[in-house]
Amino acid sequence: DAGVTQSPTHLIKTRGQQVTLRCSPKSGHDTVSWYQQALGQGPQFIFQYYEEEERQRGNFPDRFSGHQFPNYSSELNVNALLLGDSALYLCASSPQTGPTYEQYFGPGTRLTVT
Amino acid sequence: DAKTTQPPSMDCAEGRAANLPCNHSTISGNEYVYWYRQIHSQGPQYIIHGLKNNETNEMASLIITEDRKSSTLILPHATLRDTAVYYCIVRLNHGSGNTGKLIFGQGTTLQVKP
Repeated sequence: DAGVTQSPTHLIKTRGQQVTLRCSPKSGHDTVSWYQQALGQGPQFIFQYYEEEERQRGNFPDRFSGHQFPNYSSELNVNALLLGDSALYLCASSPQTGPTYEQYFGPGTRLTVT
Repeated sequence: DAKTTQPPSMDCAEGRAANLPCNHSTISGNEYVYWYRQIHSQGPQYIIHGLKNNETNEMASLIITEDRKSSTLILPHATLRDTAVYYCIVRLNHGSGNTGKLIFGQGTTLQVKP
């Protein structure tokens, strides 16, 4: 059973560019959350998708947007990249129902903005 | 969600028990205590969670004080592979109008030494 997968593993972009990160949730999970983790900090919640809609959003600007597909996979898009967007971007999946509510995290995508 | 306070770092000898404390004095009655850990360059991993009773699973034990204002995560026989950042998180569970987002603090860096 594959866990949460993310692509690409690493990415280098230039300021002002746009980037798309991808996530496939664990089998049986229908909810996807995205987190940003700056170096030396804990992950920060960006937003969560369920039933192809953004259900909750953290304190991130509109440059950060997302999408969820019918197969529950998800994309995170960041426009007009800033140097401060350099971070590890984590995707986490969870089921809406069931006896446990822990979120399963992927290995992350390391984004470097130069 | 209630805030948590953890020591920034701890050391533990290999084979000994590692006891990681967490203060959550503003926890409300329906908030759970969750523990995650993040091994270097990986996504966070769920360890255990509890409401008021002590909990044990194959990874660890969670001891919650009677007033629920603090808790301790116990790794009974720490190994070198337990070296990681450990996060204590307080949040509502699903079914309480909560999306299940996790609010991470700085965590405790546990260094297990040979």
